[in-house]
Order: sequence, then structure tokens, then C-alpha cells
Amino acid sequence: GAVVSQHPSRVICKSGTSVKIECRSLDFQATTMFWYRQFPKKSLMLMATSNEGSKATYEQGVEKDKFLINHASLTLSTLTVTSAHPEDSSFYICSARDRGLREQYFGPGTRLTVT
Amino acid sequence: DAKTTQPPSMDCAEGRAANLPCNHSTISGNEYVYWYRQIHSQGPQYIIHGLKNNETNEMASLIITEDRKSSTLILPHATLRDTAVYYCIVRVALGGQNFVFGPGTRLSVLP
Repeated sequence: GAVVSQHPSRVICKSGTSVKIECRSLDFQATTMFWYRQFPKKSLMLMATSNEGSKATYEQGVEKDKFLINHASLTLSTLTVTSAHPEDSSFYICSARDRGLREQYFGPGTRLTVT
Repeated sequence: DAKTTQPPSMDCAEGRAANLPCNHSTISGNEYVYWYRQIHSQGPQYIIHGLKNNETNEMASLIITEDRKSSTLILPHATLRDTAVYYCIVRVALGGQNFVFGPGTRLSVLP
């Protein structure tokens, strides 16, 4: 099946710094990628939808200046958490929509801890 | 809105069948029923999906009622590794929309 990777799998950063998370579709092209956030014992919540070559669409309540999304190619989207705070600590998951089959596949997630 | 209702938790004895119910009474004619699961600290894993016919694959079976207002995911011989949160999601197949996750059912497979 189609594979989506995320890097890093875990990251610890200090408060006030920025951290970048990569989402890659390894064996298919993805025109659309979705970014989710999941707090402990909670369900996944959609943060934003990114389309290759255009600006991301953010869900209500998600600060676009804090969570910068770039989808510059058909196989890579990045999420940058700027000026991270401890409350940004969470599990971040991406999914990628196959350009051809139009099915979606999920990445393994990235655990962010802000100290 | 998630558009589905699932029990928050269930237990199942190892080796027995796990039957996970899902209510989706407002499902539209072009919406499929998808099942994913999430093992702790991992991304969601696709299990199965269907429109109106029952479906089976190497992981599970999906039984959809004739009126399509509910469905049941069956894991025929549950193992400890099947302990996870199971999500039932309805959406248009092959569409551009994202998956809307509800709270799911936390299945604990007990030895």
C-alpha cells in the first residue's frame, strides 16, 4: 500500500524556538495533504489542509502565523510550529491524498514536546 | 461533526471475536463507512471500508445493515496487538475532504 512518512518521529524543543515537521508521500504524488493534532486521550483534530502550490486552508481556531504550512512539491508538505510553547506539545499527524487514486493515507505521527 | 456514534470502550477476550458497533443514522447515499484504528502513539491504520454490501479482508469483516444506519466491525480472532482505539467514519469515497474523527471505541483485548 501507499506509504506516508513523517520526520522526525519525536522532537523535543525549548519554549520560544521553532520546529519543522516533514510529511512525505513515498510512492505516490499528493496534491492535498492534511495536518491533524491529537492531544492525550483525545481524537484527531484537523488543523489545516494544504494543496500543492497554493496557500493552506486553516480550521477555525488554528493560528496560521503560528503553524506555517508549506506544500511546495507533490511529495512533501512541512508544518513549522513557530515560537513553540508547552501547550503546543502534542502528537501531529499528516495524511496525504493520492493524486491518481484520490485515496488518503496517514503518516505515523510526530510527537512534539516543548519544554 | 463526526456523524457517527460508537461506545467509548469495550473489552474482548484474546482469541474471541471482537464486534465493534457504529451508528450512522444520517449517512447519505454516496457516503461510505470507513474503519481505522490507532494503536498508542501511532498514526491511524486503515482497516476496511464499504458502501452497502458486507466486506471482508485479511484484517476484519464489515457488516452494514440494510438501511445503512449502522454497521459492525468484526475482528474474528482478537489478539493482544488488536488493542487500540477504533474509529468509524462516514465520508464520500475518493473525495477531497478530510476524515472527521470522533472519539472512537477503545478496545482492550484481555489475556
